[in-house]
Amino acid sequence: SQKIEQNSEALNIQEGKTATLTCNYTNYSPAYLQWYRQDPGRGPVFLLLIRENEKEKRKERLKVTFDTTLKQSLFHITASQPADSATYLCALARDSSYKLIFGSGTRLLVRP
Amino acid sequence: DAGITQSPRHKVTETGTPVTLRCHQTENHRYMYWYRQDPGHGLRLIHYSYGVKDTDKGEVSDGYSVSRSKTEDFLLTLESATSSQTSVYFCAISESKGGQIAKNIQYFGAGTRLSVL
Repeated sequence: SQKIEQNSEALNIQEGKTATLTCNYTNYSPAYLQWYRQDPGRGPVFLLLIRENEKEKRKERLKVTFDTTLKQSLFHITASQPADSATYLCALARDSSYKLIFGSGTRLLVRP
Repeated sequence: DAGITQSPRHKVTETGTPVTLRCHQTENHRYMYWYRQDPGHGLRLIHYSYGVKDTDKGEVSDGYSVSRSKTEDFLLTLESATSSQTSVYFCAISESKGGQIAKNIQYFGAGTRLSVL
């Protein structure tokens, strides 16, 4: 079965720096890979989706890369702010399914 | 939270009692999902629905049942709650229009924190 690995240790960075989070997966290559943000006591919120034939996707200060050879996605937040502090979840979908498989998330802490 | 209401938001119950969690959406989306979230496990799919009265099992469906009699409501029932079902439960929805990508993007409710003593 498909497994997703995200760093369970929190990432602690200084405001203004670039945060880079990693999502590794096993087995099949997903058709779509997504990133969600989750704040304490709230549900996840969709951020970005990248397709298997796309190398990179950007949205404002966010950038996602997708390397199907390495079976890895990187999620970057440039010019990070304390308000970016949250847990970030990676999720995969197969082409024929609308069901998602989620990673356990990485907590990001941005120090002022 | 994208027109999704989960109720109750918090519940404490005793082992062996039945529990029903409700998810109500105002978006008229076709697909609805129930997840549980536990430390170290991330979000795990319990059951999902692809239309009224059309449901299927997810990864961790044992001990849970669901029903969807209307587009807007998706109920999750724990027939006889156990301590292992203590968790945070999230409902999510996704659109059927707009192709495969739209189906994949999910919108979540605020969650229900359930404690089974």
